[in-house]
Amino acid sequence: GQQLNQSPQSMFIQEGEDVSMNCTSSSIFNTWLWYKQDPGEGPVLLIALYKAGELTSNGRLTAQFGITRKDSFLNISASIPSDVGIYFCAGQTSGTYKYIFGTGTRLKVLA
Amino acid sequence: EAGVTQFPSHSVIEKGQTVTLRCDPISGHDNLYWYRRVMGKEIKFLLHFVKESKQDESGMPNNRFLAERTGGTYSTLKVQPAELEDSGVYFCASSQPLAGGPLNEQFFGPGTRLTVL
Repeated sequence: GQQLNQSPQSMFIQEGEDVSMNCTSSSIFNTWLWYKQDPGEGPVLLIALYKAGELTSNGRLTAQFGITRKDSFLNISASIPSDVGIYFCAGQTSGTYKYIFGTGTRLKVLA
Repeated sequence: EAGVTQFPSHSVIEKGQTVTLRCDPISGHDNLYWYRRVMGKEIKFLLHFVKESKQDESGMPNNRFLAERTGGTYSTLKVQPAELEDSGVYFCASSQPLAGGPLNEQFFGPGTRLTVL
């Protein structure tokens, strides 16, 4: 079945540092999404990518959809304590509604 | 506008018992999804309703799981009888498709943490 390999599994960084995480897949996706889950909450959409090569920003977040449609990265600049949480990548293929999720990257920010 | 709500937030049951999880989607959202995350693993799709109809149930693990959405509003997911491997966080999500295709945003509820002892 379709799988997304997400790395790293966890990260500990200092406040103010930049962070990068990525996802790869052997399958092609038409839409790529990045979600964040805060403790005790459900995942919340951060960025959605629809076109191969697309680079999109949302405040301090930047994400790119790989040219082959098989990978994506998410960058967070100048991290702050509220960036703590689990970040999930997810892919969606054309004609389907379900999301295929990665295993998540747990981010901890040290003040 | 209220988001997706789920009840209960936590459930601890013994192996062999029955548990029913409930999800109330965002008002007006025809699409409703169930997902599950087993500790440390990916969030896995279980099934998708469009109104009261099951559109895709390819992710349902086995026939111990029964999902319903009578009337096309809230949904229930029943596990009977529960097994140890059913433990995890069950998420519900809902969406309203954008015109022209399935490029939609799924809004997730806070999840129900199920522990089977």
